[in-house]
Amino acid sequence: SQTIHQWPATLVQPVGSPLSLECTVEGTSNPNLYWYRQAAGRGLQLLFYSVGIGQISSEVPQNLSASRPQDRQFILSSKKLLLSDSGFYLCAWSVPDRQNEKLFFGSGTQLSVL
Amino acid sequence: QKEVEQDPGPLSVPEGAIVSLNCTYSNSAFQYFMWYRQYSRKGPELLMYTYSSGNKEDGRFTAQVDKSSKYISLFIRDSQPSDSATYLCAMSLFYTGANSKLTFGKGITLSVRP
Repeated sequence: SQTIHQWPATLVQPVGSPLSLECTVEGTSNPNLYWYRQAAGRGLQLLFYSVGIGQISSEVPQNLSASRPQDRQFILSSKKLLLSDSGFYLCAWSVPDRQNEKLFFGSGTQLSVL
Repeated sequence: QKEVEQDPGPLSVPEGAIVSLNCTYSNSAFQYFMWYRQYSRKGPELLMYTYSSGNKEDGRFTAQVDKSSKYISLFIRDSQPSDSATYLCAMSLFYTGANSKLTFGKGITLSVRP
């Protein structure tokens, strides 16, 4: 069976510090991978998605970047965090070539930038 | 007008009640409709998935799509305290391809009182 791991669960970072959130998927090959941010009262916002190694599509211009160094690894990064980067970050995957059939989400990272 | 509108809630009902959760949308081209359930501080999990208009039943849950009115609903029968969660509707234009992306509602928080 497929599983998705996302860590850390909680993170408190000062403004201006770097960020690295990691997500890995097990039990499937060449998944589509996604990073979402969920802010209170604002719903789920798609940040990045990837259909393959090194292929990253950005949905929203921002202070963040994503990378996919391996088939089942997706990393969300920032060089300098802003207060507005606070939120609940979710990694998700879907079956190849079926982006919108089912999204499977990780357990999320609550990021607080102070 | 936002693409997807969902009643903001929160919603509180007694155990055993029938719950109706609703979303309206503006883009008549949406074809795939989903409901996700999200427990506190967890990632969303897919609850129901439907294509085009009609009803789909799964145990105590029924998803209804009315494309003519651009309206989708999730009904929960015999609600249980374990149903207490945030429910998000989601929809997409295409099943697959570069332009296929999920559009989420903001979610409604349901509390079922014992």
